[in-house]
Formats: sequence, structure tokens, C-alpha cells
Amino acid sequence: DAGVIQSPRHEVTEMGQEVTLRCKPISGHNSLFWYRQTMMRGLELLIYFNNNVPIDDSGMPEDRFSAKMPNASFSTLKIQPSEPRDSAVYFCASRHRDRGGNEQFFGPGTRLTVL
Amino acid sequence: QQPVQSPQAVILREGEDAVINCSSSKALYSVHWYRQKHGEAPVFLMILLKGGEQKGHEKISASFNEKKQQSSLYLTASQLSYSGTYFCGTETAYNQGGKLIFGQGTELSVKP
Repeated sequence: DAGVIQSPRHEVTEMGQEVTLRCKPISGHNSLFWYRQTMMRGLELLIYFNNNVPIDDSGMPEDRFSAKMPNASFSTLKIQPSEPRDSAVYFCASRHRDRGGNEQFFGPGTRLTVL
Repeated sequence: QQPVQSPQAVILREGEDAVINCSSSKALYSVHWYRQKHGEAPVFLMILLKGGEQKGHEKISASFNEKKQQSSLYLTASQLSYSGTYFCGTETAYNQGGKLIFGQGTELSVKP
């Protein structure tokens, strides 16, 4: 089984540009989570979906951030316009909500640098 | 609210033991433990559910004291491969859809 796939792995952009991060969860998983990791703030949950429906977006820092999950195998996290303080590693994780254990599987992350 | 982990960092010699604690101000339904190596994604170690279960993973085990709202991770006879940052993630109710709040992490370094 392929794990969680994220693209791009690295993104360098200039302040004010739009950034789109992509995630493909593990096949059959029905929950998807977007996290942001920085040295200062640690690992923060931004938003999560169950069965493609956003359940809790209270962690999304500002209106500049938006996330979608148009189907069970794809999700995007968009930042528009980007700012230097958005620089971080963004992880996507998925899990099978209805199976015991509730383990979350993390993707390799996207390292975003906003200049 | 973010759980508090202690210690923030620990340095061990190979073969030594360590304990990492995770405390919450809220009642917990479950505690998840992850390990993250530098430049990599967090990797699941184990989950402990309400009920005081203790689970093990090779020489790594954990306990969950729901009354005290805390969990401890025990690393026995540490190996070089145990180095990394350990995170606890807490879930306060069974119906939160898997929403985890992670602690700030404990950096573990195992030296030869």
C-alpha cells in the first residue's frame, strides 16, 4: 500500500503569491488532517475532514488559508496571499475513522518557504 | 488546550532507560504517541484508550492514568535508533473524529 502522498515536497515562493499544497490519502481512509509544524508553535492541527466534509477548521490561522477535499482521494490546502510567517512544514495525515486503533498516517510533508 | 510534555529534552547513553510524561488539563479519551526523526514525518508508536490500558511496542511501553489525565512513555534499554522527538497527541472525546492536540515534543538523543 502506498502511504500518504504530498506534493510538492519543497516550495519556495515570494510573499503575495498563491501557494497550493496537495495531498492524496491512503486508499480507503475516510479522515484527513492538515497540520503545520514550526519550531515556535510545534505541530498544529489546521483542519480535518471526515468523509470529505470539513469538520473542524478552528485551527486555520486566517482567511488567507483554505482547504478543500473534492473527493476521497484528494485534498488541497491553499494560501493566498502567502506571507513569510507561513513558512513551515505542512503535513497531511489520514486514518480510517471506523477501524480500531485510530492511528494517523502522516505524509512526508511539504516544506514551504515564503521569501 | 495543548498537553504538556516533560522533560523537554533528554540525553541518554545506549542501554539507559527514559520516561517521557504527557499531562493534560482536560479529561482524556485517548493518548497517542508518535516519534519524529529529523526531517521526517511523525510515525505512530502506540495508542492508549481510556481505561488505564498499558501497551507495548518492542522495548517501548506506555501507561495512561485517566484520573491524573496523564500518560507516560517508557523507553527501556535505549538504542541509537530511538533518537528523535517524541510527541503525545490527546483526544478528549471519542466522538471528535480523531482530532488530536499534540504536545510540544520531547527531544531524545541516544549516544553510543
